[in-house]
Formats: sequence, C-alpha cells, structure tokens
Amino acid sequence: GQNIDQPTEMTATEGAIVQINCTYQTSGFNGLFWYQQHAGEAPTFLSYNVLDGLEEKGRFSSFLSRSKGYSYLLLKELQMKDSASYLCAPEAGNTPLVFGKGTRLSVIA
Amino acid sequence: DTGVSQNPRHKITKRGQNVTFRCDPISEHNRLYWYRQTLGQGPEFLTYFQNEAQLEKSRLLSDRFSAERPKGSFSTLEIQRTEQGDSAMYLCASSLGSTVNTETFFGQGTRLTVV
Repeated sequence: GQNIDQPTEMTATEGAIVQINCTYQTSGFNGLFWYQQHAGEAPTFLSYNVLDGLEEKGRFSSFLSRSKGYSYLLLKELQMKDSASYLCAPEAGNTPLVFGKGTRLSVIA
Repeated sequence: DTGVSQNPRHKITKRGQNVTFRCDPISEHNRLYWYRQTLGQGPEFLTYFQNEAQLEKSRLLSDRFSAERPKGSFSTLEIQRTEQGDSAMYLCASSLGSTVNTETFFGQGTRLTVV
C-alpha cells in the first residue's frame, strides 16, 4: 500500500523560490515521479528520482531521501506560468503510479 | 501533445444513462491506464492493461464500470447507469511497461458531467 502526503496549497511570489514537499510510505519503492498539471489539462512529467540527492533540470530541481521517505520539488525564478498543481507519485515495483492529492501552487505578482 | 488521445473531451449525460469513452495510447506503448480525477484531488487509479490483458482493477471500479482493450491498442471505458457521483475527469495514460522508471504519458481527459 501507499501513503502519500503533500501540502494542499502554496502561494509564492514571481521570481522567488518555492519548495514543495512530499512524504510517502510505499512498499517496494523504486523511485519517485513529479508531475505538473495545469488546470483543465493533462499531467505532464517533470522529474524522476531513484537515487538519494538533488537532481537539477533548469529552473526545477527534485530531491529524494529514500531512508526518510521524503522528496521535494524546488522551483526557482518563479513565473506566472508555474501556477499549477504539482503531483508526487512514488513508484512501487512495476505497478501503476499512485498519485498524491497534489499541491496547488499560486504564483502572484 | 503527448500522443495519448481521448474522446470525447466533454460529455454531459442524464443520470441513469450509459456512457463510453475511448482512449488511443501512444502506439508502441503496451500499458494503458485509466484514472479518475475530481476537483482538487490527484488522479485516482481505476484499472490498467498490459497489451489486451486487464491486470488490475481498483476497488473504486464498481460493477457499473467496465473497460476493454480488445486488440491491445485502443481502450474503452463504459459506465452504466451513471450516477451524479460519477462526474469527474477520466484520464487515460500509457507507458512502456516492461521496466521501472518508465514515464507515464497522459491524455487530455474526458470530463463527464452527470445531471
């Protein structure tokens, strides 16, 4: 089974940095996906972490601690278009992804 | 455009009617998934196929719901005797399911409104 926890909502200012946390309890954990979903649109892939540590990809970085069951998504130089929901999805075995409830990020001027 | 196609994009139906949605996955993907998403929630897993075999069904999938993938390509999701609680976005996704670390690609979804 899985237990995934992430904040429901966050607000940040344009140009700032925001960190979205995700904790999970997942049997047979392999790695962790982050997806972005704009309102009314499909989720789209952002990152996948399998090893501990930080992986940087442009303005977005993702961190994983396997021993702590913890991940975060770091968004730098926030832009208005980053307003979206961010979905944490730990991967267990070779099974369908189970998603957290998502964190709705609002970027304000 | 992720390559997963769903239709219709929107469906309004009266309570008690049957509805059917179609999903065309990315052509080389052997796995196809159905999820349901309501406002303010993440996608909830319903069922998935590997080729034409339905491998898993969530407890969320009542006996009014049935999914098929007859030739291992497109899939249909049918809801019989719709209820207002069925109103949601139905998302289809696909992946190459032979290994882990396989990105799952989503379609734009079918938004169902039961009135």
